[in-house]
Amino acid sequence: QSALTQPASVSESPGQSITISCTGTINDVGGYDYVSWYQHHPGRAPRLLIYDVSIRPSGVSNRYSGSKSAYTASLTISGLQAEDEADYYCTSHSNNSPHVLLGGGTKLTVL
Amino acid sequence: HLSESGGGLVHPGGSLRLSCAASGFIFSNYAMNWVRRAPGRGLEWVSSLTSSGGSTDYAGSVKGRFIISRDNSKNVLYLQMNSLTAEDTALYYCAKDYSWTPRGTMDVWGQGTTVTVSS
Repeated sequence: QSALTQPASVSESPGQSITISCTGTINDVGGYDYVSWYQHHPGRAPRLLIYDVSIRPSGVSNRYSGSKSAYTASLTISGLQAEDEADYYCTSHSNNSPHVLLGGGTKLTVL
Repeated sequence: HLSESGGGLVHPGGSLRLSCAASGFIFSNYAMNWVRRAPGRGLEWVSSLTSSGGSTDYAGSVKGRFIISRDNSKNVLYLQMNSLTAEDTALYYCAKDYSWTPRGTMDVWGQGTTVTVSS
């Protein structure tokens, strides 16, 4: 069982928006702004989408956005496209060992 | 750029050492991580260490069996894996952290090396 809780799956139609949640505690998500989001197409290397809660690395589409409220971080993907179909993971720094927490992952299906 | 090597088939109880060669950035400035994905399962963070290698951290599932280390003179990250079980079968990725200490922000990833534990 992962320390960060994500929904196992979400699905939506092309062009719509979805939000994936990542829930932790005061010791991790709620206590630090070190939340990141990753996209993983099996067979490829994971890709960093968002870091420090809401910052997009260079080259990442502005269709991806991040936010946080209390102990829950969120990834929103707008204007869904077929290529967005993948697994999405959140990470957070924790003040307890282990200091890197990874969510269980959310499988996004674009209908 | 990160390039993993050292994966392969190993018997239960056996050992394996993975390597990750880094290029294109100042390796000694950044924390590093190992992350794995077992067949049919999600990503699992395995281990990390600070830029100097002076502080290490492990997932509970590998603590006491795996050892992470680095050689900053050679720009190489290692993962020594001992007492392997079928549960360790996975694709192992090395990943660079964006800070000198692990924050969970992994901005550069390798393509992975496959470890299969089977008799």
